This record gives sequence, C-alpha cells and structure tokens, in this order.
Amino acid sequence: AQKITQTQPGMFVQEKEAVTLDCTYDTSDQSYGLFWYKQPSSGEMIFLIYQGSYDEQNATEGRYSLNFQKARKSANLVISASQLGDSAMYFCAMRGVLISSGSARQLTFGSGTQLTVLP
Amino acid sequence: DSGVTQTPKHLITATGQRVTLRCSPRSGDLSVYWYQQSLDQGLQFLIQYYNGEERAKGNILERFSAQQFPDLHSELNLSSLELGDSALYFCASSVAPGRTGELFFGEGSRLTVL
Repeated sequence: AQKITQTQPGMFVQEKEAVTLDCTYDTSDQSYGLFWYKQPSSGEMIFLIYQGSYDEQNATEGRYSLNFQKARKSANLVISASQLGDSAMYFCAMRGVLISSGSARQLTFGSGTQLTVLP
Repeated sequence: DSGVTQTPKHLITATGQRVTLRCSPRSGDLSVYWYQQSLDQGLQFLIQYYNGEERAKGNILERFSAQQFPDLHSELNLSSLELGDSALYFCASSVAPGRTGELFFGEGSRLTVL
C-alpha cells in the first residue's frame, strides 16, 4: 500500500519569501513517481512538478523545486519568491509500479496543505 | 488547459436520483481515472480504465459504476444519490500504464445532492 502524509494543514508565507511544504511517503514499490499538484479556489488540479524515484537530481520547474530525500522518504516542495497567486491548496501525491504487472498504480494523494501568501 | 474535458461542470440534483458524469481524456491517452474529492475524505481514487478495460478499483460504492467506450471517453454513473455523495468528481488521464508520469486532470464536475 502507498501512503502520503502532509503534516501541515495550513501555512502562511510573506510575499516574495520562500516556503517549504512538507511531504513524506511510504511505499513498498521499488519504482515510483512523486508529484505536487496545486488546487486554487476555483477547483482545478494543476500539475506542478514530478520526481522519479531513480532520478539522481532534484526536480525543478521555474519557482518550484522538489527536495527529494529517498532515504528519509520525503519529497518536500519549495516555492521560491512567493506570489499572491500561489495561495492555494497543495497536494503531494505518488504513483508506484506494480512489479507483478509492470503497470503503474493510481495516484495516491496526501491530505493537502493550504498555503496563504500574505501581502 | 490540461486537455481533459469533463461535463457537466456543475450539477444539482435530489436524493435518490441518478446522474452521469462524462470525461474525454487528452488525445492519445488510453488510461482514465476517476477521483472523488469531498471535504471530509479528501481525494479518493474511485476507478481506473485502460483502453476500455477496468484496471483498478478504489473506494467506489456499489451504487456507482463507470465505463470507458471505444472512443476512449468515460462515464461515471452515480445512482440512488445520497447527501454524502455531494463532492467534486475529477477525471484524469495518462499516457500508458507502465509509466509513473503525471496524471492530467479535468476541471471537475461539482455535484450537489439536495
């Protein structure tokens, strides 16, 4: 089974500062992917960043970077230079690959972190 | 725009009724996933189809059913609706089952059961 834990229900950050959203995971899959999605108040799920379990370098996408520590099973999202438009719910998620079939599992989500950027 | 289309965007109905939610995946994507997002249970995986066949089942109630058609669009049928079925229902698609790439989500169908 897969499990994603996000321990911060809510976070506040001042505009233009950096913020780290925590995510830990548990899986028995040897190969897996880790994701962060953003859900603004309008409701849509927006893909932000992806990290493969065998990727040697931490993923970066513009102002987003993923601090991947495999031994600790953590995949924290770092948002640099926060903007007011970053205020949203952020979800960490993962997909593993079933060794038996080679098929990727469905995406398993954490409970989310509500980020509020203060002017 | 993710390329995944869901209709309707909003739906209000009464308890005991039946509704159908529709999803068109991104062009070329063979896998379709359905998720339910409610306030108390977060994002819950319901069911996955790949090229017309059911691949995985999550916390899907017996009152709910889904299918994927030859043109790859999918429908989620919710019957005997209860107040607790009020939620945002997402459809997502991905390219191939063996890759752990991202899922692309539609904008969701917001169901309100009165």
